[in-house]
Amino acid sequence: AQSVAQPEDQVNVAEGNPLTVKCTYSVSGNPYLFWYVQYPNRGLQFLLKYITGDNLVKGSYGFEAEFNKSQTSFHLKKPSALVSDSALYFCAVRDQGTNAGKSTFGDGTTLTVKP
Amino acid sequence: DVKVTQSSRYLVKRTGEKVFLECVQDMDHENMFWYRQDPGLGLRLIYFSYDVKMKEKGDIPEGYSVSREKKERFSLILESASTNQTSMYLCASSFVGSYNEQFFGPGTRLTVL
Repeated sequence: AQSVAQPEDQVNVAEGNPLTVKCTYSVSGNPYLFWYVQYPNRGLQFLLKYITGDNLVKGSYGFEAEFNKSQTSFHLKKPSALVSDSALYFCAVRDQGTNAGKSTFGDGTTLTVKP
Repeated sequence: DVKVTQSSRYLVKRTGEKVFLECVQDMDHENMFWYRQDPGLGLRLIYFSYDVKMKEKGDIPEGYSVSREKKERFSLILESASTNQTSMYLCASSFVGSYNEQFFGPGTRLTVL
């Protein structure tokens, strides 16, 4: 079985400060890991993914995420937050060894960036 | 750009009605998915399809069925709508291969009265 935990329902940061949105996962094999963002009244948009190789993954809009196998984490980061980054963020995992279709999503973290 | 469209943004139905939610993608993706999104529960997979006429149950298939007669179209059917099916429904698609990201439609907010 695979699972994802996003331990924080809400993250608040000031504009210009660094942000981190946390994600931990559990899979029986090796993971594929994804971050998606959802702006109000819209569907999810893909931000970045970890497949293999370099543990630091760079994605859209200046976001990056660090894969840490020993801590089973894949935290989303950005060096300098913008008010427009305010949105709902989802982490998702797939076990490389299982059916290609099934992803498991976390419950989501609401990021609020204040001016 | 990949485009995933859903037939309605908002839908209001009555208990016991049969409800059809349609999803169309234009990128020749093999995989298509239906999720429901509820506050605090994240996204939960209802059904997915990896080919025409092929389907697999997700985590919460009860009360739902699906149809995929053409590669680009994936329909979610609520045979007899109930109030506990009031939710946001999201369709997604992707290329085959578990390393591929999903592309989502804008969602349908369904209210069952």
